[in-house]
Amino acid sequence: QKEVEQDPGPLSVPEGAIVSLNCTYSNSAFQYFMWYRQYSRKGPELLMYTYSSGNKEDGRFTAQVDKSSKYISLFIRDSQPSDSATYLCAMINTGGFKTIFGAGTRLFVKA
Amino acid sequence: ETGVTQTPRHLVMGMTNKKSLKCEQHLGHNAMYWYKQSAKKPLELMFVYSLEERVENNSVPSRFSPECPNSSHLFLHLHTLQPEDSALYLCASSQGLAGVSGELFFGEGSRLTVL
Repeated sequence: QKEVEQDPGPLSVPEGAIVSLNCTYSNSAFQYFMWYRQYSRKGPELLMYTYSSGNKEDGRFTAQVDKSSKYISLFIRDSQPSDSATYLCAMINTGGFKTIFGAGTRLFVKA
Repeated sequence: ETGVTQTPRHLVMGMTNKKSLKCEQHLGHNAMYWYKQSAKKPLELMFVYSLEERVENNSVPSRFSPECPNSSHLFLHLHTLQPEDSALYLCASSQGLAGVSGELFFGEGSRLTVL
């Protein structure tokens, strides 16, 4: 079983839609949860960072962590064509230094 | 130059060649990483350096040899590679090891093709 599972997509939505991206994980020691965004021909960049369970909102983006279900989500409201990218979930143990990534979900937002 | 820069951006090499990938970070960070990114697979951590000391060698074949001469520079020396080594190689840096700060800063990657 992979430590982090993420559907690679692609996911195609119309402009203005609400997008839901998800990951599941198996290691209950993960405490830090991140979402990275990677545009074509670029490196990943950190989008959202949360510690332990709960929600975090930043503009059109909301990250949710449900540790009891080992499930994390990223919601994008009012999606724009500029949101078209690959979204990678990532997580780290407490006291660890290895960031474990999902495979990434490719998102296309059509104008 | 700002952020993390990687050279070359594209590299094509035969299985018997020797080449090197270079990474330079201009962020004043003290940890640097090599990751391998293959299509539809998670990023694979290859090597981690903290304060120029290697702290992780993630079961990477010896045909990949890292070098960290100082906290700003990281190299990946390549020799006798296999076609399955074709991938995007990403360099990253962080202030402290990633478990503390949570954020990795990535370069744009070196696209390697092994013929």
